[in-house]
Amino acid sequence: QVQLQESGPGLVKPSETLSLTCTVSGDSINNYYWNWIRQPPGMGLEWIGYISWSGNTKINPPLRGRATMLVDTSKNQFSLILNSVTAADTATYYCARWESSDKCYKYWGQGTVVTVSS
Amino acid sequence: EIVLTQSPGALSLSPGERATLSCRASQSVNSNYLTWYQQKPGQAPRLLIYGTSSRATGIPDRFSGSGSGTEFTLTISRLEPEDFAVYYCQQYDSSVLTFGGGTKVEIK
Repeated sequence: QVQLQESGPGLVKPSETLSLTCTVSGDSINNYYWNWIRQPPGMGLEWIGYISWSGNTKINPPLRGRATMLVDTSKNQFSLILNSVTAADTATYYCARWESSDKCYKYWGQGTVVTVSS
Repeated sequence: EIVLTQSPGALSLSPGERATLSCRASQSVNSNYLTWYQQKPGQAPRLLIYGTSSRATGIPDRFSGSGSGTEFTLTISRLEPEDFAVYYCQQYDSSVLTFGGGTKVEIK
């Protein structure tokens, strides 16, 4: 069974950098597109972007310039780095696997809450 | 960017009733790329319907999806207590993936 688990600090100060990692178990990270999605408290879902197993990325335009994604196939992990955070970046951050055949997210992490506050 | 507008924002129904949720796109969506998710409080979204009308593994047949172009619908034929949740539609075009704002199905 494929499982995804987010990890990272729950509290980040304004203007600093948020770093999250998603660890994948139950399958190889190869041959898939790995996504980050976030959800501010009480609000809807926002796609942040994806990184492929080979390192190709696509970032949602509003976050280009602030968001970077990395992949480490040896550890079956991928990461999100978001710099210059503000209170607007406070959200639950999910990692998810894109199913290229069915064009959807079948597997999601449980989510990790990140609060931006001094 | 394709904007997805879901309506209504909230739906108050009783168990056993039929729920009809709408997802309208600002431009035509490839029906292969229209997906529905269910989210309960404190949980990650759960895949319900992909490719407009294909049920995900383990999803009961009271859930059905339909539509094309800019108008898509999720129907729950008879609401069970576990179906009260928020439902999101999602699309992907060649540039950006977007979600609708969600419809909350609540117990009347």
